[in-house]
Amino acid sequence: AQSVAQPEDQVNVAEGNPLTVKCTYSVSGNPYLFWYVQYPNRGLQFLLKYITGDNLVKGSYGFEAEFNKSQTSFHLKKPSALVSDSALYFCAVRDAKNYGGSQGNLIFGKGTKLSVKP
Amino acid sequence: DSGVTQTPKHLITATGQRVTLRCSPRSGDLSVYWYQQSLDQGLQFLIQYYNGEERAKGNILERFSAQQFPDLHSELNLSSLELGDSALYFCASSGGLAGGTIDTQYFGPGTRLTVL
Repeated sequence: AQSVAQPEDQVNVAEGNPLTVKCTYSVSGNPYLFWYVQYPNRGLQFLLKYITGDNLVKGSYGFEAEFNKSQTSFHLKKPSALVSDSALYFCAVRDAKNYGGSQGNLIFGKGTKLSVKP
Repeated sequence: DSGVTQTPKHLITATGQRVTLRCSPRSGDLSVYWYQQSLDQGLQFLIQYYNGEERAKGNILERFSAQQFPDLHSELNLSSLELGDSALYFCASSGGLAGGTIDTQYFGPGTRLTVL
């Protein structure tokens, strides 16, 4: 069965420091991986996705993620955290069981709460 | 703003009742997905429609059903509601062009359902 794991329930960083939110995956076939962010009382906002190609993916708001096939990881990173980055972050993998063409539902991790202190 | 709209924003109802949640996808998107977010189950896929037809099912209860209309908006119907159905229900849409690049799903703001 396909899955993603976010091993940390919460990550605390100081403003200006680099941040990493961890994600590992388990898939059969090619992994299509996504990161979303959820601010309080808001929907999920797309940050970035890995489909193929360069292992370093750049996304919105200065975030990037590094795909590592040997470690089956897709960690989200940002060089310098902002207080406004405080939110809930979700890693997701496309469910290969239910896909056709470009489509397929997402399987989400449990989320990591990022807290950035001034 | 993702371009996906959901109504209502909040819904409070009683056990045993039936409610309908509405979603309008981004302009041009053919696929609509429904997800449920709860504290104990996290974010779970319920059902997908593509251009009016059911495409995939996830952990959707038999008491729940959905449909997608010719104008591509979708409705999720929840009946015989139980306390445990209280959750945030999200709709997402994507382009859904078969054979194209892997679609990104864009999420609406959600409908918060409270069953009392």
